[in-house]
Amino acid sequence: SQQGEEDPQALSIQEGENATMNCSYKTSINNLQWYRQNSGRGLVHLILIRSNEREKHSGRLRVTLDTSKKSSSLLITASRAADTASYFCAARSYNTDKLIFGTGTRLQVFP
Amino acid sequence: NAGVTQTPKFQVLKTGQSMTLQCAQDMNHNSMYWYRQDPGMGLRLIYYSASEGTTDKGEVPNGYNVSRLNKREFSLRLESAAPSQTSVYFCASSALSIAGGQGPQETQYFGPGTRLLVL
Repeated sequence: SQQGEEDPQALSIQEGENATMNCSYKTSINNLQWYRQNSGRGLVHLILIRSNEREKHSGRLRVTLDTSKKSSSLLITASRAADTASYFCAARSYNTDKLIFGTGTRLQVFP
Repeated sequence: NAGVTQTPKFQVLKTGQSMTLQCAQDMNHNSMYWYRQDPGMGLRLIYYSASEGTTDKGEVPNGYNVSRLNKREFSLRLESAAPSQTSVYFCASSALSIAGGQGPQETQYFGPGTRLLVL
C-alpha cells in the first residue's frame, strides 16, 4: 500500500498548548496537503506545501516538509477546543498525480 | 454554492443488494473522486474521473462501478453489496485534471459523506 502514516494516532492537550502531528509518505511528491475532519463530516483543506518549499505558515498553522526524509509536520499553536478534530496529511504523487492520504491523527483539545 | 453534495447520508443494505451513491458539485470542477474511509486506514481512492466522459480505477475499485453522468454528477454503484463494503464514502472534486505532470496549487473539496452498513 502507498498509504502514508501519521503519528501520533491520537493526541490530547489543554487549550493554549501547541499540537504537533507528523506524517510520513512513501512516494515522490508534487506537494503535500493537510486536511481537517470534524466528527461525522467531510474533509476540509487546511494548507498545501509544495515539494520545493520547506516551511509554510497560515494563521496558527505551521507546516514543514522534508522531502529527503519523506516527512511533514503540522503544528497548531495556541490550540482551542474548536480545533478538536482528526487531521490528515495527503501527498500528491509525482508519478500518478493522485492524493495519497495518511491514516490521520485524532486531536482532542480540552477547555 | 452548495459545494459537493452526497445522497443518501445513511444506508443499510443486505448482502447482495445493489445501490447507487449520488454525488454532485456546483463548482464547475473537472475532476471528481470517490473515496472510502475505514477506521485506522485513512481515505482510499475507489475511482476517479479526470474530466467529463472519463473514469479510471483507483486503489480499491473491486466491487464498484462509476458513472460520470455530466460535469456536475459522479455516481458510485455497488452491484452486489458485501459486508466488506461497510464504510463511509466520500465524494470529492477539484479544479485540475489529474492527467499528469506538475500542476499549480490544487485542493480537493469533499462532500459530507455517506455511511453505508452492509449486513
